Parts: sequence; structure tokens; C-alpha cells
Amino acid sequence: NAGVMQNPRHLVRRRGQEARLRCSPMKGHSHVYWYRQLPEEGLKFMVYLQKENIIDESGMPKERFSAEFPKEGPSILRIQQVVRGDSAAYFCASSPERGPTYEQYFGPGTRLTVT
Amino acid sequence: KNQVEQSPQSLIILEGKNCTLQCNYTVSPFSNLRWYKQDTGRGPVSLTIMTFSENTKSNGRYTATLDADTKQSSLHITASQLSDSASYICVVSALGGSYIPTFGRGTSLIVHP
Repeated sequence: NAGVMQNPRHLVRRRGQEARLRCSPMKGHSHVYWYRQLPEEGLKFMVYLQKENIIDESGMPKERFSAEFPKEGPSILRIQQVVRGDSAAYFCASSPERGPTYEQYFGPGTRLTVT
Repeated sequence: KNQVEQSPQSLIILEGKNCTLQCNYTVSPFSNLRWYKQDTGRGPVSLTIMTFSENTKSNGRYTATLDADTKQSSLHITASQLSDSASYICVVSALGGSYIPTFGRGTSLIVHP
């Protein structure tokens, strides 16, 4: 049973370009969470999605950032017109159901570098 | 505001020694507390989960404690190994809402031979 998969593992973008980060949850999981981790910082919640729905996007900047989790295919975190401050590790996690007793399983992360 | 504070920020120990990491939280109403291990360049992996009624839980050489009254938890690592070098993250979940947990900033542990 494959774990949470993220690709690409490393992504380099120039300022102003778009970054697309993909996350395939564990088999049977329909809940996906995106987190951002800056160097020497803790994980910060960005957005929580269920299939075809955004449940909580309170941690995601209102401009340039968007997320989706379509009925078919991986969840996508999209960052438009990237800036140097977007350089970070972006982690995706998935769980089988909603609720605090369900563990979130994390992917290996995508390291975004904006030059 | 829900917060999780961890100490120390970093720790260096010799292989074979024991160590204890601390976590204080203000998350309410409390549901559970997890300790995660994050190796460099990898995603976090859960070590233990503790609910309100649990005081101690072990996972091999890792032992977590929880004092729900003082809102404190500790993670004790026994007979440390080089592979224990990692960041250890305390994560607390609250009841209600969208169940988004609150993450501590982690303790960076380095085990030297």
C-alpha cells in the first residue's frame, strides 16, 4: 500500500512563474491537507480539502495561492507569480476520514526554490 | 488562541544517552496529542498518540507522557541511536471545527557517536 506521494520532490521557479505541486493521497483516503514549512520553522497549515470540496482554507494566502482536489486525480496546490518568499517545503498529508482521531499521513514534501 | 510550545529548540547528545523533550500546549477543548519524528528532507511520521485519559505510552525506545491538567507532554528517548537524529514535533488536536491540528516548531535532536 503506497504512502502519500508528492511530485515533484524539488521544483525551481523564477520569480513570476507558476508552481504546481501535486499530491496523491494514500489509497482509500479522501481528505487532504497542505502545509508549508519554512527553514527552521514549524509546519503551518494552509488548506484542507475533501474530494471536490475545500473545507478550510484559513491558512492559505488569499492571493496567488489556490488548491483543488478533483474527483479524479491528485490534489494540486497552485502558486501563481511566485516570489522569493514562497521558497519553502510544501507537505501534503491525507487521512481516511475527518476528525481528530484520524492520523494524518504525510508525504515526502516538495521543496520549492524561487530564484 | 491554540498554541504548542516545545523545548528545547535543539539538543545534542552522545549515542547511548537518554533525553527528554518537552511540549506545552494551550489547545482547547483537547482531543489528542501526537509526537511526530521528521528526518531531514522527509515528511513527519507519527510516533505516538495520546488521548485525555492516557498518562504514558511507549513505542520501542520512545515513551510519551501526558499531564492533561498542566497541559504538558514529554517524549523520552532511551539509549539514543544515531538514527534518532531528527526533528521531533508535538501536534495537538482540538475537538470541533475542521479538526486542523496545531503544530509545535519542533525540537532538533542531534545524536553524536
